Amino acid sequence: GESVGLHLPTLSVQEGDNSIINCAYSNSASDYFIWYKQESGKGPQFIIDIRSNMDKRQGQRVTVLLNKTVKHLSLQIAATQPGDSAVYFCAEIRDDKLIFGTGTRLQVFP
Amino acid sequence: NAGVMQNPRHLVRRRGQEARLRCSPMKGHSHVYWYRQLPEEGLKFMVYLQKENIIDESGMPKERFSAEFPKEGPSILRIQQVVRGDSAAYFCASSPRVRGDAQYFGPGTRLLVL
Repeated sequence: GESVGLHLPTLSVQEGDNSIINCAYSNSASDYFIWYKQESGKGPQFIIDIRSNMDKRQGQRVTVLLNKTVKHLSLQIAATQPGDSAVYFCAEIRDDKLIFGTGTRLQVFP
Repeated sequence: NAGVMQNPRHLVRRRGQEARLRCSPMKGHSHVYWYRQLPEEGLKFMVYLQKENIIDESGMPKERFSAEFPKEGPSILRIQQVVRGDSAAYFCASSPRVRGDAQYFGPGTRLLVL
C-alpha cells in the first residue's frame, strides 16, 4: 500500500556536525509534507513544511529538500546540538489527515 | 497564545472502566484531530472533527471508541470498557482550516490500562 516511510531508524551524530534525515513516499499525488520533532514524553512539534511546488525550504538551522522525481524528502539540521536529540517524523497530509512514518531517532554525542 | 491543551496527561484505568480524554484546540482553530501512538511507532490517525460534526472517523475502532467536539467546551475522546491493548499515547492536534494547513499537537494523554 501507499506509505510514508523512513530509511534509517537511528542516526548518531557528533555535536556541531550536520544531520540529514531522509524520508521516502510512494504516493506521487502527495503535495504537502511536514517534519515533526518528538522528544521523549512530549507531543510532536512542528519543525518545517514544504509543498510540492517547491524543491527546498529553509528555516532556522533546518532545511527541507523535496525531490519529486524519486519521491524523496530530507531534513537537514545544521550544527546539530544536544537539544536536537529526538525522534523525527516526516508526515504527509492526505485527505485532511496526517500520515506518519515510523520515525528516525537522532542521537547527538558531545 | 496557548497551544493545544490536553488533560489529563496521564490516566490509569482498570480493564472494563471508561477513559475520557480532553482536548482544547489552539485559539482560533476549529478543526481537531485525534491520533494514537504505540511505543516506538508513528502516530496513527483516528478521527477528525469540527465543531459539532465528525468529518472523518475512518481510523476509529468500530466499537467502544467515540469522539465529540461540542459547540462549547473541549473535544472529548471516549473509550468505553477499556482493554490492555488500548494502552497508548493519545494526541490531539488542531488547525485553523483544512486544506493546506499544518496541524499542531498537544502534549498527549498517556493511557495505561491495568
